[in-house]
Amino acid sequence: AQSVTQLGSHVSVSEGALVLLRCNYSSSVPPYLFWYVQYPNQGLQLLLKYTSAATLVKGINGFEAEFKKSETSFHLTKPSAHMSDAAEYFCAVSDPGAAGNKLTFGGGTRVLVKP
Amino acid sequence: NAGVMQNPRHLVRRRGQEARLRCSPMKGHSHVYWYRQLPEEGLKFMVYLQKENIIDESGMPKERFSAEFPKEGPSILRIQQVVRGDSAAYFCASSPSVQGARNEQYFGPGTRLTVT
Repeated sequence: AQSVTQLGSHVSVSEGALVLLRCNYSSSVPPYLFWYVQYPNQGLQLLLKYTSAATLVKGINGFEAEFKKSETSFHLTKPSAHMSDAAEYFCAVSDPGAAGNKLTFGGGTRVLVKP
Repeated sequence: NAGVMQNPRHLVRRRGQEARLRCSPMKGHSHVYWYRQLPEEGLKFMVYLQKENIIDESGMPKERFSAEFPKEGPSILRIQQVVRGDSAAYFCASSPSVQGARNEQYFGPGTRLTVT
């Protein structure tokens, strides 16, 4: 069974500061990994994904994530936070070999950006 | 190019009533997933369907919940005899494929179900 742990349910950053959101996963097979963002009362929008190509993945809105197999991590970063980055972020994993591609999500990290 | 459509966006039901949630996938997508987000929690997988087939329903509660994706029309998530614990946001996602680089899921805006 797969699982995802996001450290910190709430993160507060100053505008212009580094954003770092932590994600660790547990999987018996090399997984696919995803980061999604959810704005209030909206659905999830894909930020980026890792599917066994380059370990450093660049996504939309200046975000990137690095897959580290030895640490079973897929942390999300952005060098400089913007007010519009205030949202909830979800890390997710799927098993490429399973029937379908169902996602297992972490509990989410809510980001607050201070001016 | 319309995204994933869900309706209604908000649904209020009294205990014991039935709730029907609809999802129209993106054009060209034949894979549909339903997820549930309980208050202050992450999303939990419920069911994965292709046209006219349920492929994986391992996340569906054993009773009162059912899903379908007919040959024509939207996918339907049906909850019979709703209880307060069913209050949640229900998200539908679709994908063009389940393999390789085209396996990402696109999410709809969700249906927020409130049971009174």
